[in-house]
Amino acid sequence: EVQLVQSGAEVKKPGESLKISCKGSGYNFSNYWIAWVRQMPGKGLEWMGIIYPGDSDATYSPSFQGQVTISADKSISTAYLQWSSLKASDTAMYYCARRHDYGDSINWFDPWGQGTLVTVSS
Amino acid sequence: AIQMTQSPSSLSASVGDRVTITCRASQGIRNDLGWYQQKPGKAPKLLIYGASSLQSGVPSRFSGSGSGTDFTLTISSLQPEDFATYYCLQDYNYPYSFGQGTKLEIK
Repeated sequence: EVQLVQSGAEVKKPGESLKISCKGSGYNFSNYWIAWVRQMPGKGLEWMGIIYPGDSDATYSPSFQGQVTISADKSISTAYLQWSSLKASDTAMYYCARRHDYGDSINWFDPWGQGTLVTVSS
Repeated sequence: AIQMTQSPSSLSASVGDRVTITCRASQGIRNDLGWYQQKPGKAPKLLIYGASSLQSGVPSRFSGSGSGTDFTLTISSLQPEDFATYYCLQDYNYPYSFGQGTKLEIK
């Protein structure tokens, strides 16, 4: 079974650093792009960025460029999302999702991780 | 960046109703659009990819159509388990972008 399992909920203080993870199983992790998506409390989905674990090529949404770092370690089939200095406004649920590519241009995101809730509060 | 405008933002309907949700892209995106369903406290779930292809295991009452800038998700006969929030996502170019979501509620 193809699945993505994310790390557990985190409670942090403003200014602290954090790295959350997304571990893939049931497929060749290196060969599929992994995206990160934010969902602030009671709000919609926001696409943050994407990484190809095979060579760690990453692209960010301008809204998140410089605010977070997306990385991957293909040797342990894990992608990461990290912050160097958290803000209260980073409080949200974060999802990872695998991009499936079919042919030249058809893509979709499936499966999704279960989500990691990050709470930043003093 | 491509903006996705989804409507309506909320919709009340009854079991058995036919409902349609639309997404409009700020520029042409061919058929590079997916539809996702999200239930409270759960991760999004893929319904439709490539604008009109039904994901394996998704009931056939769900269908998608459109190309270019205008897209629709149709549920032909609402079932109780369909009450959820629906999002479109353009995967034509980076940065990918979601619509604002449509919350489908029971009338």
